[in-house]
Amino acid sequence: KNQVEQSPQSLIILEGKNCTLQCNYTVSPFSNLRWYKQDTGRGPVSLTIMTFSENTKSNGRYTATLDADTKQSSLHITASQLSDSASYICVVSSHRDTDKLIFGTGTRLQVFP
Amino acid sequence: DTGVSQDPRHKITKRGQNVTFRCDPISEHNRLYWYRQTLGQGPEFLTYFQNEAQLEKSRLLSDRFSAERPKGSFSTLEIQRTEQGDSAMYLCASSFRSYEQYFGPGTRLTVT
Repeated sequence: KNQVEQSPQSLIILEGKNCTLQCNYTVSPFSNLRWYKQDTGRGPVSLTIMTFSENTKSNGRYTATLDADTKQSSLHITASQLSDSASYICVVSSHRDTDKLIFGTGTRLQVFP
Repeated sequence: DTGVSQDPRHKITKRGQNVTFRCDPISEHNRLYWYRQTLGQGPEFLTYFQNEAQLEKSRLLSDRFSAERPKGSFSTLEIQRTEQGDSAMYLCASSFRSYEQYFGPGTRLTVT
């Protein structure tokens, strides 16, 4: 069964600190992996998208990594800001059906001053 | 605003009533998707359209749910005889072919 698991479920950090969120997936055959940021009560917004051949991709203070061999990805947030408080969702799609995204349950990040 | 829009943003209804949500995709996008998200969970795929054709429906989409995209532009999602278990955020997304999906702000449904 195609699944996406994320850890930790929730995370609290102080403003200015770095953090890393983890994603493991069993989706096969793999097409691409995306990280979305979702503010409370809003729709998800794409941060990065990586295909099989990409190991890392950055978007400002967000850096995603992908290890397609171990089927793991991470999202590193540098110098966190209060506005980073949100849920971060790992999303994977399969070559069999690239339209049907498979979502993880997300990591709820809270940044405190 | 040229993003995906959804209407209404919030809907409170009594059990047994019918509700309809609307999604307006980004204008040049030919694919439109509906997802459902319950509290603390990631979105779950419901259905998607390519132009006006509904190409796939999830098993989550019971016969009380129906979605349309009559002219290949906006889409509606109707839930008949709502149940408390239907309470969720209903998200719409659009894309050009199978490229990046852009999400709308969602419609929060509460069934009392």
